Amino acid sequence: DQQVKQNSPSLSVQEGRISILNCDYTNSMFDYFLWYKKYPAEGPTFLISISSIKDKNEDGRFTVFLNKSAKHLSLHIVPSQPGDSAVYFCAASHQRLTFGEGTQLTVNP
Amino acid sequence: ETGVTQSPTHLIKTRGQQVTLRCSSQSGHNTVSWYQQALGQGPQFIFQYYREEENGRGNFPPRFSGLQFPNYSSELNVNALELDDSALYLCASSSGVPSSGANVLTFGAGSRLTVL
Repeated sequence: DQQVKQNSPSLSVQEGRISILNCDYTNSMFDYFLWYKKYPAEGPTFLISISSIKDKNEDGRFTVFLNKSAKHLSLHIVPSQPGDSAVYFCAASHQRLTFGEGTQLTVNP
Repeated sequence: ETGVTQSPTHLIKTRGQQVTLRCSSQSGHNTVSWYQQALGQGPQFIFQYYREEENGRGNFPPRFSGLQFPNYSSELNVNALELDDSALYLCASSSGVPSSGANVLTFGAGSRLTVL
């Protein structure tokens, strides 16, 4: 039972444009949602989070949107930079973190 | 401040053997969680340790076991290794109330286990 799903295994964008990564979930008990970024040979690093009582959280170039009725969240990166190229994991929390499968983002110069 | 360190970084075992993976948590963190990441998948929760006791477990068989020590470091032990146990094993530490969704996990780089 995959409670957190990222349906796009990969995404390619041009430098300076917007990157939009999507995530869907099924468990209504999740109370926090987080995004982690992972470079090769490194562990995932925390990027940004949002509480289930909010619909938007912004931190610099990164914004996370939460649509509870649709059980959907998205991560927007504006403007995208080549250094943003990494695997992005969506994660949801209810006593423990449940991760999606990840999306490989490639930002082309 | 040092982050989360894991050892060994890579290891190869044969089916039926046993393995122990080690993790030193970030300074000031009292909770350790272990995750298994198979190729092309997201990390899957194995279990969490808080105050030296197991505090939640994912859908993994009893041959996956762990320990947390008084200095908050931790071990993951896997007995009777199977081919499907080949994966990246990630350790993560955090502070605060373990069940709080607001707790941010700090991950190590992982231990890559190959079972032949």
